[in-house]
Amino acid sequence: NAGVTQTPKFQVLKTGQSMTLQCAQDMNHNSMYWYRQDPGMGLRLIYYSASEGTTDKGEVPNGYNVSRLNKREFSLRLESAAPSQTSVYFCASSESHREKLFFGSGTQLSVL
Amino acid sequence: DAKTTQPPSMDCAEGRAANLPCNHSTISGNEYVYWYRQIHSQGPQYIIHGLKNNETNEMASLIITEDRKSSTLILPHATLRDTAVYYCIGAHNAGNMLTFGGGTRLMVKP
Repeated sequence: NAGVTQTPKFQVLKTGQSMTLQCAQDMNHNSMYWYRQDPGMGLRLIYYSASEGTTDKGEVPNGYNVSRLNKREFSLRLESAAPSQTSVYFCASSESHREKLFFGSGTQLSVL
Repeated sequence: DAKTTQPPSMDCAEGRAANLPCNHSTISGNEYVYWYRQIHSQGPQYIIHGLKNNETNEMASLIITEDRKSSTLILPHATLRDTAVYYCIGAHNAGNMLTFGGGTRLMVKP
C-alpha cells in the first residue's frame, strides 16, 4: 500500500498565482487533514475533514480552501498565493477522528 | 488542546534508553497524550498514545504520572535511526491536534 500520497513534491509560485495540492490515501480512512510546517517550526493544522462530506477549519485556515472530493481524496487550494504561505504542507489521514494520524511525505511550496 | 512543554533538545548514547519528558499540566480529564516523531523533513510518524495508564508497543513505552500532569516517552535501546524531533501533544482526538509544537530534538550519538 502507498499510504498517503501527496502531489506535487515541490512547487514554486509567483505571488498571486493559484494552485491545488492533491492528497490521496488508500487505507480507507474516514478522516483527512492538512498541516503546514514553517522552517524550524512545528506543524499547524489548516483544515480537516472528519468524514466524507464534511470539512472544518483548523488553527490557520486563512488563505486556503479545501475539498473532500471523495473518501480517498482531500485537496488544498491556494487561490492567491502569498510569500507568507511558503512552507512545507503535509496531508494526513486517520481511520476515524479518534485514531492516530498517518502522514504523507509533504509538498515543499515556495511563493516568490 | 492542552499546552505541552518539552525540552528543545536532548542527547542519548546509542544502545542506551532515551527518556523524553513532557509537561502537560493543563491537560483535561478526557484528553489523550500522543507522541509523534519527525525524521529529517519527512512526515511525522505516530509512536504511541495513552490516557491514564502506562502504555507499551513495539516502538516505545509511555509513562504517565498519576496526576496526568506529565509523561515520559521511553525508547528502550536508542539507535542512530531514532535521531529525530519528538512531539508530545494533548488532544481529545486527531481533529483537535491543532499544533505540533517545537518538540524535542533527540540526537542519538555513537
